[in-house]
Amino acid sequence: SQQGEEDPQALSIQEGENATMNCSYKTSINNLQWYRQNSGRGLVHLILIRSNEREKHSGRLRVTLDTSKKSSSLLITASRAADTASYFCATDNGGYSTLTFGKGTMLLVSP
Amino acid sequence: DTAVSQTPKYLVTQMGNDKSIKCEQNLGHDTMYWYKQDSKKFLKIMFSYNNKELIINETVPNRFSPKSPDKAHLNLHINSLELGDSAVYFCASSQGEVSLWASPLHFGNGTRLTVT
Repeated sequence: SQQGEEDPQALSIQEGENATMNCSYKTSINNLQWYRQNSGRGLVHLILIRSNEREKHSGRLRVTLDTSKKSSSLLITASRAADTASYFCATDNGGYSTLTFGKGTMLLVSP
Repeated sequence: DTAVSQTPKYLVTQMGNDKSIKCEQNLGHDTMYWYKQDSKKFLKIMFSYNNKELIINETVPNRFSPKSPDKAHLNLHINSLELGDSAVYFCASSQGEVSLWASPLHFGNGTRLTVT
């Protein structure tokens, strides 16, 4: 069953601007991951944040997690045209669970 | 070197046919998965194998049969194809189970199946 819901569904910005995508989920989680999918390609792992972490950075990416609100956000700073892709959050619930993906946010970065 | 490779990339076939999609990973991972992505980009887990043993089988019609001859391969066979099977199928792998090991998934580039 679907767990994560990304918001917005689509986002269009100019190069150099920041892009923020949000993810909400319904049940308690163990870990939350963000993935990127370029058109016609497989998903690529970006960052993983554990349920006991609040913030994580990787290069131009910043992820926050608020377990009390059951939500996470992905911030891409100083966006580039190459960041154009769909972005998905995915959660697992512990034990032998696998990843459950949201519907994704389509990001378009115009030069 | 492609880490997770799937073949074929495109598959066009008629209703009622039987087809297979192959997946191989060279990452040394012990867990492999099949996901289905529909036209709205929603990704749904179908199967998960750990060390060749089936550990997750979501509510998938039994026309879909995965087979893992060894840790590096997980193939998907589909019998009696239906129009609703049209989708992109992704193979993925991880080192250990995702939740227990906080492992990221490594995806192949997908197989676009079109049933006419």
